Amino acid sequence: GESVGLHLPTLSVQEGDNSIINCAYSNSASDYFIWYKQESGKGPQFIIDIRSNMDKRQGQRVTVLLNKTVKHLSLQIAATQPGDSAVYFCAESTANQAGTALIFGKGTTLSVSS
Amino acid sequence: DAGVIQSPRHEVTEMGQEVTLRCKPISGHNSLFWYRQTMMRGLELLIYFNNNVPIDDSGMPEDRFSAKMPNASFSTLKIQPSEPRDSAVYFCASSFRGLGTEAFFGQGTRLTVV
Repeated sequence: GESVGLHLPTLSVQEGDNSIINCAYSNSASDYFIWYKQESGKGPQFIIDIRSNMDKRQGQRVTVLLNKTVKHLSLQIAATQPGDSAVYFCAESTANQAGTALIFGKGTTLSVSS
Repeated sequence: DAGVIQSPRHEVTEMGQEVTLRCKPISGHNSLFWYRQTMMRGLELLIYFNNNVPIDDSGMPEDRFSAKMPNASFSTLKIQPSEPRDSAVYFCASSFRGLGTEAFFGQGTRLTVV
């Protein structure tokens, strides 16, 4: 079946560097995408979302890029900090009348060293 | 708001015993999701409810798993009988579809079946 997947399981960066986490999705009908951050022992926490009618959205230190042509999603974190160390998940969903359910990729571990 | 509340946080049980996980969604949210997280399979959607009605339970692994939502403020996930392979972290999440499809997660229940 169709699923969301991540290219890299682990990303190691130095404090202050910019980080880029990638995600590939295969369901062309998906129209809503989210990035979540999960710290050890906690539930996933919302970072930023984007709808399929956009190709870029910016938040505080984070930017999500969506390339529908190649079904690719990325999360850019500027000036990465040790507190950004976590597992990052992308998730996709398709709107329908009854509500939507997010389908998650397997996650990328971001490790930030100072 | 206290967010999504799950109980217990940790559960250790013997194989064959019944396990009940509980969830209180955020007040006003009308969609509720149960996910299971393991290292091997990542975050898997088990079932989701919209307005207390189960919409999609195709992710429920076996008949041993059942979920109920008797009212808008409470849901249970039951495993009977439990098996060691059910060991995982179980997350409950809720969302308000009218504001988009961002889901808010609880802290999870870590289940260990020995």
